[in-house]
Amino acid sequence: EAGVVQSPRYKIIEKKQPVAFWCNPISGHNTLYWYLQNLGQGPELLIRYENEEAVDDSQLPKDRFSAERLKGVDSTLKIQPAELGDSAVYLCASSSDRGGGELFFGEGSRLTVL
Amino acid sequence: TQLLEQSPQFLSIQEGENLTVYCNSSSVFSSLQWYRQEPGEGPVLLVTVVTGGEVKKLKRLTFQFGDARKDSSLHITAAQPGDTGLYLCAGAEGDYKLSFGAGTTVTVRA
Repeated sequence: EAGVVQSPRYKIIEKKQPVAFWCNPISGHNTLYWYLQNLGQGPELLIRYENEEAVDDSQLPKDRFSAERLKGVDSTLKIQPAELGDSAVYLCASSSDRGGGELFFGEGSRLTVL
Repeated sequence: TQLLEQSPQFLSIQEGENLTVYCNSSSVFSSLQWYRQEPGEGPVLLVTVVTGGEVKKLKRLTFQFGDARKDSSLHITAAQPGDTGLYLCAGAEGDYKLSFGAGTTVTVRA
């Protein structure tokens, strides 16, 4: 069974440029998460989807971040415009249930903003 | 402010030694998970504890959930270099919200 797939693995951009990250969750997993992780720190939730509905986006900086999960499968996270402080690893995870079940993470997309 | 406080932040030990990592909170969790993350990879689940006072063993790893379901510990016996990584605890509130601690970076020297 394929795991959570993310792309790109690495992205280097200049500040004020846009960037997008893509995530393909494990087949059949209805719940999808986007997390931000700074070096040596724990993941911080940005947004959680149940199928195509964003059920928790309270931590998503909506002035510059946006996300979508069309058809309840793949998801895209966009930043426009990027700032220096956005440099981090963006992790996508999926799970088969809503209630504290195991999260399966992708390898992450490392963003460097110059 | 982290909902879950992990300590210590860094731990460096010699192969064969024992270590304990702590995860504390003032909140009550319906369940608590421990993940290990290696450089360049996503976190991988080690264990989920659900019942207060529960103890689970995974080979040389022992996990304990506090009686009040607010804290947890991870003990590794006879650590090996392969145990090196970032250990993360994550608490589940209600039926879906999972919050991670800042992690403990463990380095086991050969």
